[in-house]
This record gives sequence, C-alpha cells and structure tokens, in this order.
Amino acid sequence: DGGITQSPKYLFRKEGQNVTLSCEQNLNHDAMYWYRQDPGQGLRLIYYSQIVNDFQKGDIAEGYSVSREKKESFPLTVTSAQKNPTAFYLCTSSIFGEQYFGPGTRLTVT
Amino acid sequence: DQQVKQNSPSLSVQEGRISILNCDYTNSMFDYFLWYKKYPAEGPTFLISISSIKDKNEDGRFTVFLNKSAKHLSLHIVPSQPGDSAVYFCAAKTGGGNKLTFGTGTQLKVEL
Repeated sequence: DGGITQSPKYLFRKEGQNVTLSCEQNLNHDAMYWYRQDPGQGLRLIYYSQIVNDFQKGDIAEGYSVSREKKESFPLTVTSAQKNPTAFYLCTSSIFGEQYFGPGTRLTVT
Repeated sequence: DQQVKQNSPSLSVQEGRISILNCDYTNSMFDYFLWYKKYPAEGPTFLISISSIKDKNEDGRFTVFLNKSAKHLSLHIVPSQPGDSAVYFCAAKTGGGNKLTFGTGTQLKVEL
C-alpha cells in the first residue's frame, strides 16, 4: 500500500523538551512538507523539501528543525524554542502540484 | 498576509440541498487551485482541482468554479449528504511548483 505514515498519532511532552515527529512516504515523491493546523488558522507551512539533502523554511519555521537524509523520510523536530508547540501536525508529499497528506500527529505540550 | 481567504468559518446546509463554499485569493500569480476535505484528527484528502485556463471543473457531486477577474473560486456540492460534513480547505499554487498556500477552512455541517 502506497502512502504517507506519521507516528505517533498522539504525542505528549513536557515543556522544555525537544520532540521529533516522524513522517515516512513510499510514494517515491521528491517533495515533502510539514504543516501545522490550529483552530481558525488553517494550515500553515513550517518547512518543505523539494529534494533529498535540501530543505527550506516555510512561513512559521521558528522553533522547528528538519532533516532530509533519505527520500522517504522527513522528520520534524519541535524544539523548546517553539513558543506554542501544541497543535496538529501534518506531513505531506507532493507530485505534479497535488499534495498527499499523512494522518497527522496531535502534539500536546504541558 | 493571508493570500487565500475563506471568509466563512462555518456553513450549515440541509441534506439534499446545495452547499456552496467560497474562497478568495489575492495573488494574481496563482494558476492552479485545489479543494481538500478534512475530517477531525485526520489528514486532508484531495477533492477536486481547477487550472486557471478553465472556469469550471466537475467531478460527480462536486463542481469548482473559478472567476479569475474576481479572484474568486467556489466549490458546489449537490446534493449535500451528511458524510460531507467536514472542514473544507481551498489551496492555490503558482507555476510548476508544488508549494501550496491554504485558506483557513470552512466547517460544513450537513443536517438531516
């Protein structure tokens, strides 16, 4: 089955800890993206990668970091510098202008 | 600066009637538009798209209309069904790239 997997579905962390969200795809797509969804604010772009070993900041990259060492994987680290990390995080991969979304990870930081 | 706007955060429609979801954009360079549907705690799924060379695209119960001069697009769902209750996002992109700009979403509720 081709698709995008994000794990875990729910994640809880204490304030001040870094946490890494996993995103894997077996669609052979070059481009991958991370968004966060907050109520009333739609989907906001955090980071994206058009090709392996390359990535760019999106609109709200502060407090986040990414890596793209393999085509299939695009992990997102939410650092302690991110002021409001509690959100629903969505990973996508893209080809021909359409983005295919993973199921999302709900991160709660207390 | 919100380049893609969905000014109605919510919409309620009776089953069997038409649902019309609206989206406005400000960037005249956008040339491809998409609609996604999202259920709670799930990732959005692609619904329908339209290129700027067209003014209408239809797929079953879903039709997207594009008015380039008004920088406006709309999604029509007819007839609406209870399973259509979800958040709908419109998105836009420019040129041959893959980067999408999303609207804030409209929560559609289809009532029996």
